[in-house]
Amino acid sequence: DGGITQSPKYLFRKEGQNVTLSCEQNLNHDAMYWYRQDPGQGLRLIYYSQIVNDFQKGDIAEGYSVSREKKESFPLTVTSAQKNPTAFYLCASSMTSGSIGDTQYFGPGTRLTVL
Amino acid sequence: QKEVEQDPGPLSVPEGAIVSLNCTYSNSAFQYFMWYRQYSRKGPELLMYTYSSGNKEDGRFTAQVDKSSKYISLFIRDSQPSDSATYLCAMMRGGADGLTFGKGTHLIIQP
Repeated sequence: DGGITQSPKYLFRKEGQNVTLSCEQNLNHDAMYWYRQDPGQGLRLIYYSQIVNDFQKGDIAEGYSVSREKKESFPLTVTSAQKNPTAFYLCASSMTSGSIGDTQYFGPGTRLTVL
Repeated sequence: QKEVEQDPGPLSVPEGAIVSLNCTYSNSAFQYFMWYRQYSRKGPELLMYTYSSGNKEDGRFTAQVDKSSKYISLFIRDSQPSDSATYLCAMMRGGADGLTFGKGTHLIIQP
């Protein structure tokens, strides 16, 4: 099956700990994105990457870090510097960012709860 | 003023009704417009994608864009209980910016 997978589905973390969320896609898409969704809110962009070994900050990058060592993978680390990490995290990918017909497809999400 | 405004609802309508969902935006640089459907605790699913003013139809769904008024709409005909979900409008400038979302409208179709 082609698509985007995120793991784990639910994640619990103690305050002060870093945690890494996994995102993998087998769609051969160039661009990948991370968004955060809070209750009753739309999605907000954290980081995005157009190509391997390159990524850019989105609107709310503080307290997060990413890497893009492989085209298929774009893991997100939520660091202890993120003040309000409890949220629903969504990964997306698109063929190439910005071209006509380029749409983003989303994974199933990871729900992170800080205890 | 937020870049994208969307009434969060809830919007409750009887089965079979025509549903109208709307978003307004302030940034004239937005060129591409999408509608996503999101069921509870799931990832958003792309419904419609448009990049020019006018209407685009796909089955029971019609997306409408009015760039001069900075206003987009999604119409759902013959609404079904399975259409009950949160509908998110999203838009982008192009390039590598990612999407800017509205808050989403919670839609309830009553059987």
